[in-house]
Order: sequence, then structure tokens, then C-alpha cells
Amino acid sequence: DVKVTQSSRYLVKRTGEKVFLECVQDMDHENMFWYRQDPGLGLRLIYFSYDVKMKEKGDIPEGYSVSREKKERFSLILESASTNQTSMYLCASSFGQATEGTQYFGPGTRLTVL
Amino acid sequence: QKEVEQNSGPLSVPEGAIASLNCTYSDRGSQSFFWYRQYSGKSPELIMSIYSNGDKEDGRFTAQLNKASQYVSLLIRDSQPSDSATYLCAVGRNTPLVFGKGTRLSVIA
Repeated sequence: DVKVTQSSRYLVKRTGEKVFLECVQDMDHENMFWYRQDPGLGLRLIYFSYDVKMKEKGDIPEGYSVSREKKERFSLILESASTNQTSMYLCASSFGQATEGTQYFGPGTRLTVL
Repeated sequence: QKEVEQNSGPLSVPEGAIASLNCTYSDRGSQSFFWYRQYSGKSPELIMSIYSNGDKEDGRFTAQLNKASQYVSLLIRDSQPSDSATYLCAVGRNTPLVFGKGTRLSVIA
């Protein structure tokens, strides 16, 4: 069965803190994605990775960075958290060489930045 | 800029009726099409994928694709209150999927 896990369901941080969001998949998928979801704005792609140590910017990469040192793990980093980064963060993974395949989502992390 | 458009709703249907959800997309060369269901506070879960023109049925769900008209739809037969959720359409071609903002469906008992 497909399994994508995220390190926290809820997280509260202070402005200026460095924040790490972890995502792990156990399906040996090549591709991994980070989205944020806000009311009225839908899912917005932050970064994605199609291979270990490879990363590509999505639509809204500003203020974020990512790391993929192992195939199963994709980390999202907020270098200096700001209140406008309060959001639901969703990780997803997909199989294959192309990135337009079926995506499977983790449960999400609701981040609040105070 | 690739776009996927959905009516935000809410779409209200009585229990037992057919719910019809529609999605249009701008990239004529799109190759893969998906419908996801998202309950409030939860993450999206895949309902169906479709790649060829025509209909694809899975239980109470039918996805319909018309590439010439650039639309994809989802029909839910015998709608149940448990179908009340936001439905996301996603479209892809050689790049990560582009998601619509979703249609909120409310099934009234």
C-alpha cells in the first residue's frame, strides 16, 4: 500500500526560526513534491525533485529550500519563518521518469508561525 | 501559464442524485488527468485517473475526458452524504501536475 508520511501534523513556530518539514515515502518513487495549500488559492507547488540530490523550483519557491539526500526522504526548509508562511504543507510522491504521473499525498503539516 | 479551471461551488445535490463536476484546462497537449477528493482538514486522495478520450467507470464514479474540447468531468452516481468534500482536478504533461482550486460538493440527506 502506498505510504507517504510527514514528520508533524501540527507545528507552531516563531517568526525568524528555521523550520524543517520532513517527508518520507516507502514506495521507491523517483519524484517528490512539496505544496502549500491556502483557502481560495488551492495547491501551489513550492519545489519538486525527480532524483536524489536533484531539485527544481515550483511556482512559489521564495523563502523555501529543499534537500533530498536519500531517495525516500524530501525535506522542506524555511530558513527564517515568517507569518505569511502559515499554511498547510503537503508532500507528495509519484513513480516513474515523468513527473506528470499519479501523485500520492502525505497527511499534511499545518504550520502556524507566530 | 498552464491553467486548470473548476467552478468553486458549493455544488449542492440531494442524496441519491447524480453529481456532475467539471474541469477545463488550457494546455492542449495535456496527457494525464486525475480527480482527487479532499475532506476538510485532510490531504487529497486519488479517486480516478484517465488518459484517453471517453468514459472510465469505477464503482459509482465515472470520469469523462474530451481532449478536443479540453475538459474533463467526474460524475458521482447515487451521491451519499459521505461524498461531501472538495474535488480537485489535476492535469499533466511532462511537468508536475497542475491542480485546479477544487469544487466543493455538498450532498444533502
